[in-house]
Amino acid sequence: GAVVSQHPSRVICKSGTSVKIECRSLDFQATTMFWYRQFPKKSLMLMATSNEGSKATYEQGVEKDKFLINHASLTLSTLTVTSAHPEDSSFYICSAKQGPYNEQFFGPGTRLTVL
Amino acid sequence: AQKITQTQPGMFVQEKEAVTLDCTYDTSDPSYGLFWYKQPSSGEMIFLIYQGSYDQQNATEGRYSLNFQKARKSANLVISASQLGDSAMYFCAMREGLGNTGNQFYFGTGTSLTVIP
Repeated sequence: GAVVSQHPSRVICKSGTSVKIECRSLDFQATTMFWYRQFPKKSLMLMATSNEGSKATYEQGVEKDKFLINHASLTLSTLTVTSAHPEDSSFYICSAKQGPYNEQFFGPGTRLTVL
Repeated sequence: AQKITQTQPGMFVQEKEAVTLDCTYDTSDPSYGLFWYKQPSSGEMIFLIYQGSYDQQNATEGRYSLNFQKARKSANLVISASQLGDSAMYFCAMREGLGNTGNQFYFGTGTSLTVIP
């Protein structure tokens, strides 16, 4: 199946710093990517839909100024957590649609820990 | 209302036995797709199986099959001949619209499956 990569896989940062997470589609072009957040033993929560060449669409309750999304090319979307706080600690997963069923292929996720 | 409901937070199954993971969905869109994903402890989400709302037959992929009961709006996942490596979280998901017409996936709360040797 299609391959989506994420970098970094783990990051630990101090409170108040910003962290950038990259999501790449390795063998296909993705005009749309999705960013999810997942708390331990919980389901995936869609944060935003990232659209290549235009502004991301944020879900209700997600602060767009805190979670900056840039989809500058057909293979790369980035999520920047600005001024991170301990409550931002979570597992962040990106995905892109591909395949015969337009199923979502997920990246391996990024575990963010804010101290 | 919840779009996807998974009522089994945890399930246990003996190795080599079959297990059914429940999923019900709610939509008024006649066109939709149903998906199952596996999430092992490593965190990656692995696509398992797909069922389209207009598909006449239940989807099968190796040891995975989807028991699609449209009138009941259920899409249960059946794993046959369970293996220790099947221990993971399993998520049911739905996309309203087919093909490129639908974007957002709705995920259930997941079922944690433990396979007992």
